[in-house]
Amino acid sequence: NAGVMQNPRHLVRRRGQEARLRCSPMKGHSHVYWYRQLPEEGLKFMVYLQKENIIDESGMPKERFSAEFPKEGPSILRIQQVVRGDSAAYFCASSPAPEVNTEAFFGQGTRLTVV
Amino acid sequence: TQLLEQSPQFLSIQEGENLTVYCNSSSVFSSLQWYRQEPGEGPVLLVTVVTGGEVKKLKRLTFQFGDARKDSSLHITAAQPGDTGLYLCAGVTHSSYKLIFGSGTRLLVRP
Repeated sequence: NAGVMQNPRHLVRRRGQEARLRCSPMKGHSHVYWYRQLPEEGLKFMVYLQKENIIDESGMPKERFSAEFPKEGPSILRIQQVVRGDSAAYFCASSPAPEVNTEAFFGQGTRLTVV
Repeated sequence: TQLLEQSPQFLSIQEGENLTVYCNSSSVFSSLQWYRQEPGEGPVLLVTVVTGGEVKKLKRLTFQFGDARKDSSLHITAAQPGDTGLYLCAGVTHSSYKLIFGSGTRLLVRP
């Protein structure tokens, strides 16, 4: 009965390095959302993916950020050349096909610290 | 543009008091969800409402979806310190399956 699994839980990167955040959805879920949360703030939508397809990436910065959800394996949020402002908690949620059920379940997040 | 407005942003009350949190929008939602988040953890789904006028109860928590499906409320009866946390509403519109979150209500229940 595994829920949404995110790893790593904590990630420290120096400015200019790459950060890779992984998300394994719940069994049977075909859709993944990524959100970013700053301290004391709500969740900001970044990207919404289906396997092998980006449905909506309107919340993702045009540069340095990319996301994928391959046919096999976890969804990956990739941040290239990280800067201090990228420090935040990144949450992934998964859901079944939306025409069936729009309920989303969250992982415990990855806390990225850029030093 | 914030699609979902939550109020109040912060709420500090004494144990045993009642409270209501509001989630409002000018958009119509096909479904609306309420989550609770504790520090250092991911949001946990509390309830989903899909029908206008729907009322759902979860122990001391009562959730209501507005008739026009543009707003929702969460009412907590006899709040306890364990209710402390960040309460988030999130909606899905008909035009997009993107789940959009409100800014959250931070609740502190003092013993």
